[in-house]
Amino acid sequence: AQSVSQHNHHVILSEAASLELGCNYSYGGTVNLFWYVQYPGQHLQLLLKYFSGDPLVKGIKGFEAEFIKSKFSFNLRKPSVQWSDTAEYFCAVTAYYGGSQGNLIFGKGTKLSVKP
Amino acid sequence: EAGVTQSPTHLIKTRGQQATLRCSPISGHTSVYWYQQALGLGLQFLLWYDEGEERNRGNFPPRFSGRQFPNYSSELNVNALELEDTALYLCASSLVKAVRDEQFFGPGTRLTVL
Repeated sequence: AQSVSQHNHHVILSEAASLELGCNYSYGGTVNLFWYVQYPGQHLQLLLKYFSGDPLVKGIKGFEAEFIKSKFSFNLRKPSVQWSDTAEYFCAVTAYYGGSQGNLIFGKGTKLSVKP
Repeated sequence: EAGVTQSPTHLIKTRGQQATLRCSPISGHTSVYWYQQALGLGLQFLLWYDEGEERNRGNFPPRFSGRQFPNYSSELNVNALELEDTALYLCASSLVKAVRDEQFFGPGTRLTVL
């Protein structure tokens, strides 16, 4: 069965610090990879996605992620975090079902707290 | 363009009762997904409907069921409610035939079981 693991449950950083959130998935076939963010009191929104091609993908708000197929990893990075990045971050994967993509499998999420 | 909408926003029920949650997908989207976000458990996949049919089901008991209507809106029914059903229930939609598509999420229905 597919699974997604996120390495950190809660990360606390000061503003301007660099961020890297780890994500590993287990699935041997073709996958689509996503990072979603949930800001306090808001609904889940997409940060970035990887389907194929360049393994370094850029998303909104200065976030990027690198897909490393050999490590089954899709880590999220940001060079300099801001207080407004305080949120919960979810890594997710979908697999292909009969040629179309299926439901998302989420990691348990990482809470990011940025101190001003 | 309107996003995914869900109703009601909040729902309070007692143990043993039944709850019905509703979701309207983005116009043109044929797939609807339901997820449960319970405290400490992250986001867990519940059900996936496409073109009116159930395509996949997560690891939840049969008292979680649903359906998709001809206009692609969807209902999630939870029978014989238990305290641990207290959670935020999220609906998402996508155009599944587009292999490279993301899921768009609604604001959720917060279900509290007393």
